[in-house]
Order: sequence, then C-alpha cells, then structure tokens
Amino acid sequence: EAGVTQSPTHLIKTRGQQATLRCSPISGHTSVYWYQQALGLGLQFLLWYDEGEERNRGNFPPRFSGRQFPNYSSELNVNALELEDSALYLCASSLGSPDRRLGDTQYFGPGTRLTVL
Amino acid sequence: DQQVKQNSPSLSVQEGRISILNCDYTNSMFDYFLWYKKYPAEGPTFLISISSIKDKNEDGRFTVFLNKSAKHLSLHIVPSQPGDSAVYFCAASLRGTYKYIFGTGTRLKVLA
Repeated sequence: EAGVTQSPTHLIKTRGQQATLRCSPISGHTSVYWYQQALGLGLQFLLWYDEGEERNRGNFPPRFSGRQFPNYSSELNVNALELEDSALYLCASSLGSPDRRLGDTQYFGPGTRLTVL
Repeated sequence: DQQVKQNSPSLSVQEGRISILNCDYTNSMFDYFLWYKKYPAEGPTFLISISSIKDKNEDGRFTVFLNKSAKHLSLHIVPSQPGDSAVYFCAASLRGTYKYIFGTGTRLKVLA
C-alpha cells in the first residue's frame, strides 16, 4: 500500500513569490494535515482538512492557506514568501471520522523542503 | 507555551541496552499520545501510540508508558540497536481537535 506522497521534494523560491505544495494521502484516508518544521524547531501544526473542509488551523498568518480536493489530496499555498518560511513542510493523513474514537493515527509523507532566497 | 516537552535533547546508549525517552505534557485534555521516529530530511515514522485510558502499550521492542497523574510519557526501546539512532518525537492529540502537538525531539544515538 502506497504511503503519503508529497511533491515537489525540493522547492526554491524568492521572497515575495508564492509556493504551492501538494500531498496525496494514503488510500482510504480522508483527513490531511500540514505541519512546518523549521530548522532547529519541532513540528508546528499548520492546517487540518477533513472531507474537503478546513477543520482547524495553527498559529500561522493567513498567507498560509490550502484546500482539499474531492479525491482527498491537498494543496498548501504560501503567499508573499518570507525568508523565515524556509522549512520542511510535512503532510500527514489519517482515516478521519468515524474512526476518531479509536485514536486517529497520522502517517507522514517525506516532506517538501522549501527554500526562500 | 510548550504544552509537550522533551527535556533531553540527546541521549546516547550502548547497543543491546535499554533506551528510555521521556516526554512531559501540561494539558490534561490530551487523550491520545504517540511516538514518532525521524531521520534527517524524511517525514516522521509512526512507532507506537497509547490512549489516555491505558497506562502501557507494547509493540515488539517498543513500549510506551503513560502516567496521567504525573502527566508523563516514556518510550522504552529494548534492546537498542544502531538502526534506532534517530530523532524521536512525542506527540499528543487534543481531544476534539485531532491536531497533534509535538515535543521538540530527542536525538538518540545507539553506539555499537
């Protein structure tokens, strides 16, 4: 069974540009999560999508946005890039409801390394 | 405010011995806890989880212990192997939100 996939692997942009990162969840998973891991820091929760809707977002500015498509894949968009946006962006997926009562484990993709110059 | 803390940034253990990684949390509303292992430039790999209704969960060489009164979580790896060398993150899920709050990680080095 294929795991979570992300593209591109690496992305280099300049300040002020926009970046689009893509994620395909594990087959059968309906929830997608985005996390940022900046250098030297832990994983910070960005966004959660479930059944096509944004369910929760972390403490990030509105220029971080995304969407989930009918096939449950997801995009993360970062507008007006700043140098401090350089980080590893990780996508995770989980089964989603109604399995949450069992403890809904998130499985991570390999990440997209975004470098802002 | 760091709700999930891993106070040891690094740990070195001899091959074959036990590795114990610790994690403390502050929010009693966390109801699901997990450990992930991460190699550089890769995504975290799920290792083991425990719900708040249990105090122990075991999977092969990995055992997670949960002490709710102390708000403390630990991961035991027995026996430790060189391939276990990685950064280990604990994570907690907040009831009703399903987002994970991660600790800052502990780098484990298993010496051959």
